[in-house]
Amino acid sequence: GAVVSQHPSRVICKSGTSVKIECRSLDFQATTMFWYRQFPKQSLMLMATSNEGSKATYEQGVEKDKFLINHASLTLSTLTVTSAHPEDSSFYICSASSIAEDYNEQFFGPGTRLTVL
Amino acid sequence: GQNIDQPTEMTATEGAIVQINCTYQTSGFNGLFWYQQHAGEAPTFLSYNVLDGLEEKGRFSSFLSRSKGYSYLLLKELQMKDSASYLCAVRDSNYQLIWGAGTKLIIKP
Repeated sequence: GAVVSQHPSRVICKSGTSVKIECRSLDFQATTMFWYRQFPKQSLMLMATSNEGSKATYEQGVEKDKFLINHASLTLSTLTVTSAHPEDSSFYICSASSIAEDYNEQFFGPGTRLTVL
Repeated sequence: GQNIDQPTEMTATEGAIVQINCTYQTSGFNGLFWYQQHAGEAPTFLSYNVLDGLEEKGRFSSFLSRSKGYSYLLLKELQMKDSASYLCAVRDSNYQLIWGAGTKLIIKP
């Protein structure tokens, strides 16, 4: 199957700083990338959907100015958590899909665990 | 509203069979997915159903009944490594994945 990488896998930062997470599709062109957040013992929560070259579509309740998403190429999307606070500590997971696939399966990255002190 | 229901937790014995059910109510239907997620890791794809019936893949099988809004994931010959959360997700008319809360499966020796 297709491979999606995320970097960093784990980050610890101080409150008030910004953190950038990268999501890359390594062996296919991802027309759409998704960003999820998952709190302990809870299911995935979709934050936003981004298509290459266009603005991301954010889910209700997700602050656009706080979670900046850039999908500048068919293989890279970034999520920047601006002015992070302890409540932003979570497991952030990206996934990518391609219209070339028969059923638009989402391929998940390994996730990034963010801890804000 | 859109809703995916699956049991919160199930326990089974190593070597046995377990069935995890999923019922859904969504705006349209464009396929149902099952994912496995080990603690602290991202989900991994298990199966995809878009037509009624059973899809078998090794020890795992997935069943779909669109008229009943129902699916199940069947795991045979359970191994300790199968201890994980199993997520049911339905793709709606907008091709957006609607996720269930997941079923935590505990395997005992």
